Amino acid sequence: GENVEQHPSTLSVQEGDSAVIKCTYSDSASNYFPWYKQELGKGPQLIIDIRSNVGEKKDQRIAVTLNKTAKHFSLHITETQPEDSAVYFCAASKNTNAGKSTFGDGTTLTVKP
Amino acid sequence: DTGVSQDPRHKITKRGQNVTFRCDPISEHNRLYWYRQTLGQGPEFLTYFQNEAQLEKSRLLSDRFSAERPKGSFSTLEIQRTEQGDSAMYLCASRSLQGSEGYTFGSGTRLTVV
Repeated sequence: GENVEQHPSTLSVQEGDSAVIKCTYSDSASNYFPWYKQELGKGPQLIIDIRSNVGEKKDQRIAVTLNKTAKHFSLHITETQPEDSAVYFCAASKNTNAGKSTFGDGTTLTVKP
Repeated sequence: DTGVSQDPRHKITKRGQNVTFRCDPISEHNRLYWYRQTLGQGPEFLTYFQNEAQLEKSRLLSDRFSAERPKGSFSTLEIQRTEQGDSAMYLCASRSLQGSEGYTFGSGTRLTVV
């Protein structure tokens, strides 16, 4: 089955700096890659996603890049703010699995004011 | 409809007892998923429904676990004869067949087995 590895497990940045979180996946058939943000006591919230026919997608301060050949994808957050502090999860899924996703183990991002 | 609702938020039970959790998805979402999340880990897939049909179950879902979605709306997840290893956050998510493939998660039910 699919295996998703996520790095780093913890990341601390100064407010205003950029943060990058990287994930690799094992199944070349995976074609949908969402990122979720999870705050304490809440369920994960979808923040951005990318399909395998696209190399990059941007939404304001958040961007995701995908390298299908190398089977890795990354989340980029620019101009970080304290409210970006949370646990971020990457995931991978295949259309044929009706959206069942395999998640990474998460990155705890801390943005210091 | 403000999102996916899960009840209860917290459950403490003694080992060997049965527990049942409920999930109310977004009304127009026909797919409903159950995931389990332990501390420091990402969510792990348990099972999913399309309308009332349970289409896939993970091998994580032992015989003590059962899930239902009788009318294609809310779903229940029951754990029988709970064990300490069942302690986790149980997350429900839903999504529509159209539009974004991303999930809308509920806030989860945190189960503690003592």
